[in-house]
Amino acid sequence: GENVEQHPSTLSVQEGDSAVIKCTYSDSASNYFPWYKQELGKRPQLIIDIRSNVGEKKDQRIAVTLNKTAKHFSLHITETQPEDSAVYFCAASTADNTGKLIFGQGTTLQVKP
Amino acid sequence: EAGVTQFPSHSVIEKGQTVTLRCDPISGHDNLYWYRRVMGKEIKFLLHFVKESKQDESGMPNNRFLAERTGGTYSTLKVQPAELEDSGVYFCASSQDREIHGYTFGSGTRLTVV
Repeated sequence: GENVEQHPSTLSVQEGDSAVIKCTYSDSASNYFPWYKQELGKRPQLIIDIRSNVGEKKDQRIAVTLNKTAKHFSLHITETQPEDSAVYFCAASTADNTGKLIFGQGTTLQVKP
Repeated sequence: EAGVTQFPSHSVIEKGQTVTLRCDPISGHDNLYWYRRVMGKEIKFLLHFVKESKQDESGMPNNRFLAERTGGTYSTLKVQPAELEDSGVYFCASSQDREIHGYTFGSGTRLTVV
């Protein structure tokens, strides 16, 4: 079945360093890849997304890259700040394009001041 | 515009009891999705409504789970009888159309079955 693998499960970085989270997906028909940030006790919030016709997208300190051939996509956070600490989820759309998303297992990012 | 609203925010019930979760989507959104996150694991799809119809319920764990969306507005998810493994956070999300884009989640209902 459709599957999204996410690594690492936990990531600890020093404030100001960069953080990279990687995901792979199984369904070559997936064409939409959002990233969600979930702070403790709060709802998952969309932070950035990318569609399959684009290789890279950037929004201030956050960027996402997509390699369709390898079925990989990654989240890059530069100049990390303590408020970036949260659980990050990647997701991929399904081939039927109904809006259903398949999520990765989540990465707990800790940014140490 | 009000966001997606869910209640209760927390529910603690005993094994064998019944619980009903409610989701109010953003007004005018035809698509409504239920997801669940069991502690430490991924957010898993449960089902998808288009208006009042179930478009996809392939993620529903078993027949102890019943979802409804009467009138195509709010939705309920009933668990009867609840089991320990049903514990987790249940999220609802809604979107206006079928074009794929990131949707807004509700704050979730944390269900604990003891």
